[in-house]
Order: sequence, then structure tokens, then C-alpha cells
Amino acid sequence: QVQLQESGPGLVKPSETLSLTCTVSGGSMSSYYWSWIRQSPWKGLEWIGYMSYSETTNYNPSLKSRVTISLHKSKNEVSLKLTSVTPADTAVYYCARGRGGSPSDHWFDPWGQGTLVIVSS
Amino acid sequence: QSVLTQPPSASGTPGQRVTISCSGSSSNIGSHAVNWYQHLPGAAPKLLIFSNTQRPSGVPDRFSGSKSGTSASLAISGLRSEDETDYYCATWDDSLDGWVFGGGTKLTVL
Repeated sequence: QVQLQESGPGLVKPSETLSLTCTVSGGSMSSYYWSWIRQSPWKGLEWIGYMSYSETTNYNPSLKSRVTISLHKSKNEVSLKLTSVTPADTAVYYCARGRGGSPSDHWFDPWGQGTLVIVSS
Repeated sequence: QSVLTQPPSASGTPGQRVTISCSGSSSNIGSHAVNWYQHLPGAAPKLLIFSNTQRPSGVPDRFSGSKSGTSASLAISGLRSEDETDYYCATWDDSLDGWVFGGGTKLTVL
């Protein structure tokens, strides 16, 4: 069964770029949408954006100017880059696979365990 | 504040039935299917209900979902101690053009 594992630096300085990788194991990436979602105490769960296997993207408007999601198909990886971070970007970051028809009909299954990223100098 | 409104807490005794509500608007729940996730802090969130009422394989039939208008509910019957964790609703929002979540409900089994 498909498993997702996030990885990346746990500490990022303000104004720098947060870079995370999600490794997909136990299944194919094709035909699915791949999302990043974060959870912070002050905003709860927040969808960041997705990329489809055909490389269509859609980002949360509140983050769109700072976010890039990419697929690295040969490595079975999904990456997230968030530029110009501030302490408000401190959160647990999850990757998740979107399933079911068009994106608006999707559900997230499975999710990774998440990785905590702290933005601090 | 989250776009979808859930009660912050719910509780019940073993064997009881509890329901968790999720309230939205015409641009989200009123137009799209609702999914529910179970999240034990520190673990990967787990899909519990998709497309309003559907259970993934492996999810006990003690868990059920429903939707009416701009609200949805998760019901847990035959409450067990291992059900004590956090529950989130989620759906697509046409105004955001993306997914939105509820603030989460912490279920306590007394």
C-alpha cells in the first residue's frame, strides 16, 4: 500500500526558503493529484496547493505568490518550496494523495506523518 | 478561524453514539462532497469518510457520515476508548478554488 514520507530541514530562518520533499513508496504516482497541507496552532489545517501527475497546479491564493510544488517522477517524489518565510509559516507540513474524479471531488488518502518546520532566527 | 465550523470538543461514554457537526456555506458544503479525517496527533491523518457517506475499506461501520444543505455530520456509534482523538471535516470551496477544513473536534471518551 502507498506510503508517504515527508523530509526536510526542521528549522528555517526568516526570509529564507522552506524546501520539503515527500517520498512516495509502495505505489505509482501516475493518475493522482499530490497536495501539500499544513497545520499550525493559529490557523488549523490549511491546504497549500496541489500538482497533478500531468503537472497541472493549483495553489491557495493566500500563498500562491510564494509557493512552488513539483513532481520528480523518476524519483517518486513531490517537493514543496515556500519562499520568504516568516514565523507565521511555522507548522507541521503534510503531503497527501488526492483521489477521486475532478479535484473538487477529491479526498486525501493517504497522508504522510508530517514534518515540523520552525521558522526562527 | 477555519472556513468550516466544528465544535471544538465532544464527549461520550463507551458504547454511546456521538455526532460531530460541520457547518459551511453554499460555496463549499452546499456544493461539494464532505470528507472526514481522524487524526491522532503525531500520526498521519486517516481518511474516515469520503463523498459524504462512504467508508474506505477497513473503517468500521460504527463510523457514518451524512450531509444536508450546508452542514454535514460524522456519527460514531458504539463509542470505544480508541476513538478518543481529533476529527476534521473538509471539502472544496468554490470561492477559494481549493480545499478547506474544519477547525477540528477533540473527542473524549469518558
